[in-house]
Amino acid sequence: DSGVTQTPKHLITAIGQRVTLRCSPRSGDLSVYWYQQSLDQGLQFLIQYYNGEERAKGNILERFSAQQFPDLHSELNLSSLELGDSALYFCASSVFKSDTQYFGPGTRLTVL
Amino acid sequence: GENVEQHPSTLSVQEGDSAVIKCTYSDSASNYFPWYKQELGKGPQLIIDIRSNVGEKKDQRIAVTLNKTAKHFSLHITETQPEDSAVYFCAAEPVDGGSQGNLIFGKGTKLSVKP
Repeated sequence: DSGVTQTPKHLITAIGQRVTLRCSPRSGDLSVYWYQQSLDQGLQFLIQYYNGEERAKGNILERFSAQQFPDLHSELNLSSLELGDSALYFCASSVFKSDTQYFGPGTRLTVL
Repeated sequence: GENVEQHPSTLSVQEGDSAVIKCTYSDSASNYFPWYKQELGKGPQLIIDIRSNVGEKKDQRIAVTLNKTAKHFSLHITETQPEDSAVYFCAAEPVDGGSQGNLIFGKGTKLSVKP
């Protein structure tokens, strides 16, 4: 158990809908990262927050957004969902801006 | 930007044999290289990492070597056991201003250890 928690574990929704994925980092960690894992693209970095502020963006679609709250938990919002958004979404956390990352168990999103 | 290539994509070994997975990276400025193990239905679990100021690091049956000149690093698992069966990912952390801290992953190696 890495200490990173993610909810929900599974999410099934329809095309065009909007969902929110939640992540709680390890106690003491200030950085939160979001990754998408799909069969064809592998593990891809989406976005990083550090102590409440966006620090870096990767291959994140404009339909996706995230935020980190004062208690350091983070939410990833996915809107106007398409079939291709079906994937595993992982959250990771680290102590500082650039440090060892510990991954959560993931949220499996299925868009029907 | 950084690109990480990982080989082989699948690896099958007999229990007790050694397994080696190799990765190459493109950005010579990258300075942190972790390895993750992912079991079915679980998130990636850090198993070992190495920084660019070190050439080799060992933790029991697992070792990682880094060749900065050739820009490649390898994972070595000795005395493999069935519970080592999983998908292994290598990653590199580019040192590129705002990209620092983000990991670029290889495509993964599915390791099967046959009893």
